[in-house]
Amino acid sequence: EAAVTQSPRNKVTVTGGNVTLSCRQTNSHNYMYWYRQDTGHGLRLIHYSYGAGNLQIGDVPDGYKATRTTQEDFFLLLELASPSQTSLYFCASSGTINSDYTFGSGTRLLVI
Amino acid sequence: QQQVRQSPQSLTVWEGETAILNCSYEDSTFNYFPWYQQFPGEGPALLISISSVSDKKEDGRFTIFFNKREKKLSLHITDSQPGDSATYFCAARANSAGNKLTFGIGTRVLVRP
Repeated sequence: EAAVTQSPRNKVTVTGGNVTLSCRQTNSHNYMYWYRQDTGHGLRLIHYSYGAGNLQIGDVPDGYKATRTTQEDFFLLLELASPSQTSLYFCASSGTINSDYTFGSGTRLLVI
Repeated sequence: QQQVRQSPQSLTVWEGETAILNCSYEDSTFNYFPWYQQFPGEGPALLISISSVSDKKEDGRFTIFFNKREKKLSLHITDSQPGDSATYFCAARANSAGNKLTFGIGTRVLVRP
């Protein structure tokens, strides 16, 4: 079965800290996405990728970098974390254009 | 500005009743509308979807009604069960946007036994 695994499950960091969120998919999917979920805003797209080495800017990219090192692995980087980045982060993958998403279980990030 | 709007933000129904979740959109190029179901502590999972060439899609107790002219759709959950208690997200995609989905803010549904 298609799987998307995120790590860590929970993370606490201080303001100004450096955080990396990891996502691995074993679906052989081309597309991968990073979303943040906040009450009152739903799911908002941060960055996405069409394949290894490819990066696309989403709708709320400020303060975030991403890197797609392999077909399987997609990382979200917060180099100077701020309290406004406290959120629930989801990674997702999809196989081809116009195919549906498979989401991971999420990473809850708290920036204090 | 929300391109995909959902209402209500929360909804409580009794077991056996029909829950109606509403969704509307602005972008006329949107042509595919999936609904995702999310339980606490989990990621969203695809529940049911519809393309803009259809006006109705049914899957068991879940039905999407789609009105292209008014840019509105709704998800009906008939014979609601306590296990249906979850947050439901309406999403939309345009062919021109690659495979990018735009999500609404979600509707939290509570089904009381």
